[in-house]
Amino acid sequence: AQSVTQPDIHITVSEGASLELRCNYSYGATPYLFWYVQSPGQGLQLLLKYFSGDTLVQGIKGFEAEFKRSQSSFNLRKPSVHWSDAAEYFCAVGEESGYSTLTFGKGTMLLVSP
Amino acid sequence: DAGVTQSPTHLIKTRGQQVTLRCSPISGHKSVSWYQQVLGQGPQFIFQYYEKEERGRGNFPDRFSARQFPNYSSELNVNALLLGDSALYLCASSAAARAFSGNTIYFGEGSWLTVV
Repeated sequence: AQSVTQPDIHITVSEGASLELRCNYSYGATPYLFWYVQSPGQGLQLLLKYFSGDTLVQGIKGFEAEFKRSQSSFNLRKPSVHWSDAAEYFCAVGEESGYSTLTFGKGTMLLVSP
Repeated sequence: DAGVTQSPTHLIKTRGQQVTLRCSPISGHKSVSWYQQVLGQGPQFIFQYYEKEERGRGNFPDRFSARQFPNYSSELNVNALLLGDSALYLCASSAAARAFSGNTIYFGEGSWLTVV
């Protein structure tokens, strides 16, 4: 079965600094990979997704992620963090085997300091 | 266009009671999935429905059930509520049964259930 590990529960970044959130997955085949963001009390918003092709994926709000098969990683990056980026970020792997299901990591809470 | 809409937004139930949560998918979307998100955890897959039929079920007890209506809206029912059922219940919709291949899955804002 697939699994997702987000090793950092909390990360604090200064506003304007760069950001990298780590994600490692376990999946037998080429995975569908996603990053979602969740603001307090809100649902999930899709930031970006990887299915195939170019391993560097651009998303919304200036985020990007790089798929590295050799490391089973799909880390999320942003060159300059804004205070409004403070939220919880979830990495997920998608599987389609008769039905479609997402397996999420436990999330990383991003705090932005002034 | 409206996104995925869920109701109610918040509700409080007592242990042993039953609850029904509702979801309306994006117009034109025929697939609805339900996820449970316990505080401090990532969402966990409960069900996927497509064209009114259950396509998949996660590792949840039989107290959890769902159905999809001809207009593709869906209800999630939970019987004999336990304290551990307290969570955010998220509904997601996609255009096709294969939610990822050439499609995108969209989540609603969720229904917060508190069991006391």
